[in-house]
Amino acid sequence: SQQGEEDPQALSIQEGENATMNCSYKTSINNLQWYRQNSGRGLVHLILIRSNEREKHSGRLRVTLDTSKKSSSLLITASRAADTASYFCATDEGNNFNKFYFGSGTKLNVKP
Amino acid sequence: GAVVSQHPSRVICKSGTSVKIECRSLDFQATTMFWYRQFPKQSLMLMATSNEGSKATYEQGVEKDKFLINHASLTLSTLTVTSAHPEDSSFYICSARGTGAREAFFGQGTRLTVV
Repeated sequence: SQQGEEDPQALSIQEGENATMNCSYKTSINNLQWYRQNSGRGLVHLILIRSNEREKHSGRLRVTLDTSKKSSSLLITASRAADTASYFCATDEGNNFNKFYFGSGTKLNVKP
Repeated sequence: GAVVSQHPSRVICKSGTSVKIECRSLDFQATTMFWYRQFPKQSLMLMATSNEGSKATYEQGVEKDKFLINHASLTLSTLTVTSAHPEDSSFYICSARGTGAREAFFGQGTRLTVV
């Protein structure tokens, strides 16, 4: 990928379980965002965390950011079959608000 | 959230022809638009960034004469794949961001197949 890596590459869990995905990036950033993509479709914005924030919540989503390790995690609690999708983190470079780069993505499969 | 419309959603064209993909922001002014390419089961690769009224900035390795980008208005950007070849077959996605905004909104993508 142009910016970083996500792990795991694929994750399969049962409905009701929590899913944790990690993202690492290379350069300093202003913001980190998580997006969701259903197969063959465009992306949907989930949550944004600024570089001076450490944790953020939105519904069943919890995002953490560790700028010292250049990493972030996305936790989806009480997963549902409808959460099945690919999840990507995206960052904009620290000295350039103008570009978004995406991680390699995690493919999540939630089994009913 | 804001709406970005991308058209067409699917297109099949013959080798050697050109294809134009449109990206429109429907309810906001998109000062910056991004064009990405996505291969099957892979991440999005940024191809170019365009600001309204100025030339697009292409990422390293992206042929600017091959992928023509025009961002003539605050609501429309177009990507033209010129002299398409089968290796240009891919999923192309645009995104748009308004002035001062931190998040970008994505179109639904265009699946291009060159035969």
